[in-house]
Amino acid sequence: GAGVSQSPSNKVTEKGKDVELRCDPISGHTALYWYRQRLGQGLEFLIYFQGNSAPDKSGLPSDRFSAERTGESVSTLTIQRTQQEDSAVYLCASKASTYSYEQYFGPGTRLTVT
Amino acid sequence: DAKTTQPTSMDCAEGRAANLPCNHSTISGNEYVYWYRQIHSQGPQYIIHGLKNNETNEMASLIITEDRKSSTLILPHATLRDTAVYYCIVRVLKGSNDYKLSFGAGTTVTVRA
Repeated sequence: GAGVSQSPSNKVTEKGKDVELRCDPISGHTALYWYRQRLGQGLEFLIYFQGNSAPDKSGLPSDRFSAERTGESVSTLTIQRTQQEDSAVYLCASKASTYSYEQYFGPGTRLTVT
Repeated sequence: DAKTTQPTSMDCAEGRAANLPCNHSTISGNEYVYWYRQIHSQGPQYIIHGLKNNETNEMASLIITEDRKSSTLILPHATLRDTAVYYCIVRVLKGSNDYKLSFGAGTTVTVRA
């Protein structure tokens, strides 16, 4: 079946511009995560959605970052007034349910802020 | 969450077993050991997890020491496609099994023909 998809695969933007990154989770998966991975570094948690519960935003680095999810489907991560330090690969993952262990990752969106 | 220590890199011959160590000496009783890997330019991929018993699935085996302070991921017959960065993580599973991954540097495994 189809895995997690993300778009665009690559995004180059100028400093100060806003960007929107999209994630389509595996159909039926109730949990959705956003992560950030800077070049050569490990994974940083950003935000977590589970069903209709309030999202866990504890990993968002600043108020320039926000995310939304429509029901149990697509999610959008928005970065306002982008800075060069926002350059990274943004990864989305989904999980079948609260009680499942495995997170399934998408291929990521590579964001470059010039 | 407990911190983990892994070797920076290791080489393995194709067809041989690859044994990847991980130290987690400060692990708590309710923390699980997870392994993920990340092949170049792809998203991370779940491999296996365990609490205290050894675990095996179609990808790998996980051996956890009796004191739970270290573990070893075993890829029984490494192939070139197993070349990746392997991450060992310990996480508390809250009552609902939700967890937030955070990776360190991991072990870069290179499988050579």
